[in-house]
Amino acid sequence: AQSVTQPDIHITVSEGASLELRCNYSYGATPYLFWYVQSPGQGLQLLLKYFSGDTLVQGIKGFEAEFKRSQSSFNLRKPSVHWSDAAEYFCAVGASPPGAAGNKLTFGGGTRVLVKP
Amino acid sequence: DGGITQSPKYLFRKEGQNVTLSCEQNLNHDAMYWYRQDPGQGLRLIYYSHIVNDFQKGDIAEGYSVSREKKESFPLTVTSAQKNPTAFYLCASIRTSECEKLFFGSGTQLSVL
Repeated sequence: AQSVTQPDIHITVSEGASLELRCNYSYGATPYLFWYVQSPGQGLQLLLKYFSGDTLVQGIKGFEAEFKRSQSSFNLRKPSVHWSDAAEYFCAVGASPPGAAGNKLTFGGGTRVLVKP
Repeated sequence: DGGITQSPKYLFRKEGQNVTLSCEQNLNHDAMYWYRQDPGQGLRLIYYSHIVNDFQKGDIAEGYSVSREKKESFPLTVTSAQKNPTAFYLCASIRTSECEKLFFGSGTQLSVL
C-alpha cells in the first residue's frame, strides 16, 4: 500500500528566507506525486505535480519540488517566502493519474507553515 | 465561473441524526471524491465515483453513504453509525480523460452538538 510521510508538522520561517518542506513516500512503482496548499477553512489548491521526466518540477507561486527516487522523496522548496505563503501544505502520492479508474490519492498529514515578519 | 460548490459551510449534527453534505460541480467532470480531514492526519478518502450511478468505497467508508444520480452532484450522508463525525469534509472532482489536478471545494465543517 502506498503511504506518505511529512515529518514536520509545523515550520516557522522568516519572510524572505528560504523554505523546504519534506515529503517521503512509499510505493513500489513509479509514483504520481503532488503538492497541494490549503488556506484555513478552504479547499486545496495544486502547487505542482510530477508524473515523469525532469525530476525538478516548477509550480505556481514560485514553488519547485525535486523527485529523488533513491531517497523516495519529493521535497518542496521556495527560495524566498512571502507572508501570503503561510498555509498548510500537503504532499500526495497516487498509483496512476488522478482521474484514472480506481485511483486513490494518499495524502500526508500536512505541514503548517508560519511566516514571521 | 466553473467550480465546485459545497454546502453548508458549517453543519451541526445531533446524536443519532443523519446529515447530508452537498457537493455540486459545473465543470463537467466525470470523477468525484469525498475526503475527510482531521488535524494532523491529512486527507482520508471516504467514497469516490467515476461515473453516474456507480461509486466505490474509499479507506474510511464506514458510517457514510453516497449517491451519484447526476454527473454534477455527489452528496455525502453522515449516518448515525459514524460515531466520530466531527471533521472537515472536502469534495473534489476531475475529468477522467485528463491527468491533471483534482479541483477541490471549499469544504464543510461538521460538528456534533
